[in-house]
Amino acid sequence: DAKTTQPPSMDCAEGRAANLPCNHSTISGNEYVYWYRQIHSQGPQYIIHGLKNNETNEMASLIITEDRKSSTLILPHATLRDTAVYYCIAAPNTDKLIFGTGTRLQVFP
Amino acid sequence: DTEVTQTPKHLVMGMTNKKSLKCEQHMGHRAMYWYKQKAKKPPELMFVYSYEKLSINESVPSRFSPECPNSSLLNLHLHALQPEDSALYLCASSQSGDYGYTFGSGTRLTVV
Repeated sequence: DAKTTQPPSMDCAEGRAANLPCNHSTISGNEYVYWYRQIHSQGPQYIIHGLKNNETNEMASLIITEDRKSSTLILPHATLRDTAVYYCIAAPNTDKLIFGTGTRLQVFP
Repeated sequence: DTEVTQTPKHLVMGMTNKKSLKCEQHMGHRAMYWYKQKAKKPPELMFVYSYEKLSINESVPSRFSPECPNSSLLNLHLHALQPEDSALYLCASSQSGDYGYTFGSGTRLTVV
């Protein structure tokens, strides 16, 4: 599975968009990009995934560059409850997901 | 039912004890997983079961013994653990293909 690189931490003001980057320059053609988040002391929560096209659901949007070497998770209107560690994972399927160190997002009032 | 239920939520055990962690899902998911998470670290994959058969063991010590009695239930049997095994143990399940995992809220294990 391709290695992913994320900034260790980010801040975002409440109500503003949170844009979380992820680099996956060695991603293979059959590997999806998955995003999860983990709120303190809870199990990780699936957010969104994509292969080539941009994706949007009720939680977030995923923008994947045309060369697929990087992606951005967008939380359009961050709230205090979005404070969490966000993990970006590249994998061909969900048979085996390996978590990296993630980005700790702090949303402040 | 869209949840993965883990019991107990907290467990304290001595190094000579035998205990078991339980995980249950009723979403018809065909794969179930055990992860271990130390404080301020990402979850680490331990075991993967696919269609009730062990498909991946990430070189986990034999003091951890997984069991999948049926498609809805996953156990993790613990024996002769060390204090460094204290961690949050997370169970997850998934459907085939490219769907995301559903995680339980974990069992916080303390070995004394």
